[in-house]
Amino acid sequence: RKEVEQDPGPFNVPEGATVAFNCTYSNSASQSFFWYRQDYRKEPKLLMSVYSSGNEDGRFTAQLNRASQYISLLIRDSKLSDSATYLCVVFLDTGRRALTFGSGTRLQVQP
Amino acid sequence: EAGVAQSPRYKIIEKRQSVAFWCNPISGHATLYWYQQILGQGPKLLIQFQNNGVVDDSQLPKDRFSAERLKGVDSTLKIQPAKLEDSAVYLCASSPRTGYGYTFGSGTRLTVV
Repeated sequence: RKEVEQDPGPFNVPEGATVAFNCTYSNSASQSFFWYRQDYRKEPKLLMSVYSSGNEDGRFTAQLNRASQYISLLIRDSKLSDSATYLCVVFLDTGRRALTFGSGTRLQVQP
Repeated sequence: EAGVAQSPRYKIIEKRQSVAFWCNPISGHATLYWYQQILGQGPKLLIQFQNNGVVDDSQLPKDRFSAERLKGVDSTLKIQPAKLEDSAVYLCASSPRTGYGYTFGSGTRLTVV
């Protein structure tokens, strides 16, 4: 089983739509969670951290369900510039002690 | 603040040849990581350094890959001999402490033919 699993997509949505991505992780001891964004042929960049209480940054909302080992990202009012691959990332502070990335979900926002 | 520098940006080699990549992390970042990203996949950790010591190299194919971080600053990743399946983007990242504040370099895109 993969450590971090995501639906690869692509998700094709019109501008202004709301879209949600989900991710599951296998290690219940994982401590920190993030969403990274990766543009085509670019390096990954931190989009937002994910907290147990949920957090919001403008049009982006991230949620964490530790009991189900599930992370989500909601994007409201999609813009063309949101087109990218969204990587679900977990951190475990034992053993590897480095970020573990999912394979990413590709989003294409269409005019 | 200057970012993570990597070179070269692109490299094409024949299988069985050797290749080396270079990374200069953000000044003061103690932790340095090399990730391999194959097309359509997420980045996979190859090796992690804390200063000039190796923290984790469990996913590094040690029969052909090697890495070093002399003096706890710059790092090089070498592949010898390369295989077709090594075609990927090699990303270097650094962070001030483990697991947080990652900054990635632009990567080196390797094509093995």
